[in-house]
Amino acid sequence: DAGITQSPRYKITETGRQVTLMCHQTWSHSYMFWYRQDLGHGLRLIYYSAAADITDKGEVPDGYVVSRSKTENFPLTLESATRSQTSVYFCASRAPLQGGPGYTFGSGTRLTVV
Amino acid sequence: AQSVTQPDIHITVSEGASLELRCNYSYGATPYLFWYVQSPGQGLQLLLKYFSGDTLVQGIKGFEAEFKRSQSSFNLRKPSVHWSDAAEYFCAVGAPQGGSEKLVFGKGTKLTVNP
Repeated sequence: DAGITQSPRYKITETGRQVTLMCHQTWSHSYMFWYRQDLGHGLRLIYYSAAADITDKGEVPDGYVVSRSKTENFPLTLESATRSQTSVYFCASRAPLQGGPGYTFGSGTRLTVV
Repeated sequence: AQSVTQPDIHITVSEGASLELRCNYSYGATPYLFWYVQSPGQGLQLLLKYFSGDTLVQGIKGFEAEFKRSQSSFNLRKPSVHWSDAAEYFCAVGAPQGGSEKLVFGKGTKLTVNP
């Protein structure tokens, strides 16, 4: 089915471990985004990508790494997880704005770092 | 760079009452404006969006929003709230093409609906 899917939905990891959150979209949208959602902060942009092999930092990039070797995938890696990275992570892609929804979000990944 | 302020962290209304959620933005030109709703444990659902044209925008679930350039506002309204509207609401601003393409969110307004 067409859409944007995130995996896993839930993840528990230990401090210091590397963890990768996956995001896959089927529309071939150029722009993709990673946000984290925390109580009292709303959604904050971590990284975004304008196209394959083009990525840029958002508001809170420290401790995260992204790659985009294919247009449809935009994985987010926490190189050495910390408790402060416990959050809900949302991936989004940007559709044509006129006549469309604009930005479409995945269902989110709830990450707990213990 | 664009920014969004939602002044009200939490609003409580009675079922059947009218609702207005405030959103103020900062951007040098006319931005793209969005309202999203998030039910507990769920993802983000688009309620409505403004790109250009008519400043009064109709959305899903009986919501509407009005873009007021002079006030840099994009307030969300509903004439009669239903218990199922209890959720968190996010206003977001995006830059038109040629801008940064990033979507910046406000911190959200949590809506509680009393029976």
